[in-house]
Amino acid sequence: EPEVTQTPSHQVTQMGQEVILRCVPISNHLYFYWYRQILGQKVEFLVSFYNNEISEKSEIFDDQFSVERPDGSNFTLKIRSTKLEDSAMYFCASRGGNSPLHFGNGTRLTVT
Amino acid sequence: AQTVTQSQPEMSVQEAETVTLSCTYDTSESDYYLFWYKQPPSRQMILVIRQEAYKQQNATENRFSVNFQKAAKSFSLKISDSQLGDAAMYFCAYTLGSFNAGNNRKLIWGLGTSLAVNP
Repeated sequence: EPEVTQTPSHQVTQMGQEVILRCVPISNHLYFYWYRQILGQKVEFLVSFYNNEISEKSEIFDDQFSVERPDGSNFTLKIRSTKLEDSAMYFCASRGGNSPLHFGNGTRLTVT
Repeated sequence: AQTVTQSQPEMSVQEAETVTLSCTYDTSESDYYLFWYKQPPSRQMILVIRQEAYKQQNATENRFSVNFQKAAKSFSLKISDSQLGDAAMYFCAYTLGSFNAGNNRKLIWGLGTSLAVNP
């Protein structure tokens, strides 16, 4: 069965550094999402992406965040200048027209 | 406000027994989908079951079933014949509107219930 793949599985970075989290959605899917989960807290929606543009974003998704689908297969989340509070599990998800979300295994981001 | 409430932060069940996890939600819309996701220690997010709000019949997936009470905005998950591998965090979530192409609605999540299965 096709899967959403995320790399790396764990990323450690220093505060103020830029990070790029990578995702390869399922190939025929049209909608792409980033969610994050701070340890012990609920899953939070960050952004959705359709037709090569952001379709919705949350209050969390400020100017420090950006997403890109550079080559038709990858879907990346960039955090320009990481803060301690950005430490979380970041999940990429994708779906087709009428399918439920398929999640990747997540990237654990640790900001020190 | 769009919210999901899971009132049981932690639950435990004996192996082979049945357990029910509760979930209530708040929305003024009539068209939505409800989901239960399982998150084991590996932190993967695995879809357990989903329910279309327009369907009266409760969804079932093998040992997993739901009790969907639309008027009460309640969506509980029943796990029958619990197995050690069922131990995980369980999240209730919903998305508004049709899940068809053209709809890009996000999932709204509860805080989760941590389920322990005792041998």
